[in-house]
Amino acid sequence: GDSVTQMEGPVTLSEEAFLTINCTYTATGYPSLFWYVQYPGEGLQLLLKATKADDKGSNKGFEATYRKETTSFHLEKGSVQVSDSAVYFCALSAQNTGFQKLVFGTGTRLLVSP
Amino acid sequence: GAVVSQHPSWVICKSGTSVKIECRSLDFQATTMFWYRQFPKQSLMLMATSNEGSKATYEQGVEKDKFLINHASLTLSTLTVTSAHPEDSSFYICSATISSGANVLTFGAGSRLTVL
Repeated sequence: GDSVTQMEGPVTLSEEAFLTINCTYTATGYPSLFWYVQYPGEGLQLLLKATKADDKGSNKGFEATYRKETTSFHLEKGSVQVSDSAVYFCALSAQNTGFQKLVFGTGTRLLVSP
Repeated sequence: GAVVSQHPSWVICKSGTSVKIECRSLDFQATTMFWYRQFPKQSLMLMATSNEGSKATYEQGVEKDKFLINHASLTLSTLTVTSAHPEDSSFYICSATISSGANVLTFGAGSRLTVL
């Protein structure tokens, strides 16, 4: 079945460091890919998405490119801030489910220190 | 923006009792709501899909008689964990979508259930 694998955390960085959180997926067809972020005490929020190969999703300085050849959707940010500390979830929604059912990775906690 | 509220945010109950968790869309009408479950250090797992006015569709392996889902209105879905046991202790999260074709969901903050 469909699955998402993302790197285990926590990822601990200093402010202004470069961030990469790896995400790879297994799915049939052409899924849509997402990154969600969960701040403490809040619900998951959509950070960015990409719906087809080579699309780049971006938001708030975060970027991820849909790489079908490597089945990856790695999240990157050039300079993290303390306020970026949160849990990040990679997810896919499969074409054959009408793009509604999300399959999540385990989440990666990011801790950014001043 | 769209907001989904879950209540309670955490609950402790005794084994054998039932617990109800509410999921409300505050500023939009949600035709479809989803219920997820998350164990520590594991992925969110979809439990069921509920459409307003119809029976929920459960994922394989989820006991529909144990996890009762009701979606009686366009702004409210409830999950009732019946005869709860310690292994039901988990983090339950709901999400909602404004239309059946949309692929962007709004999530609640989750409800942590601890069964003693």
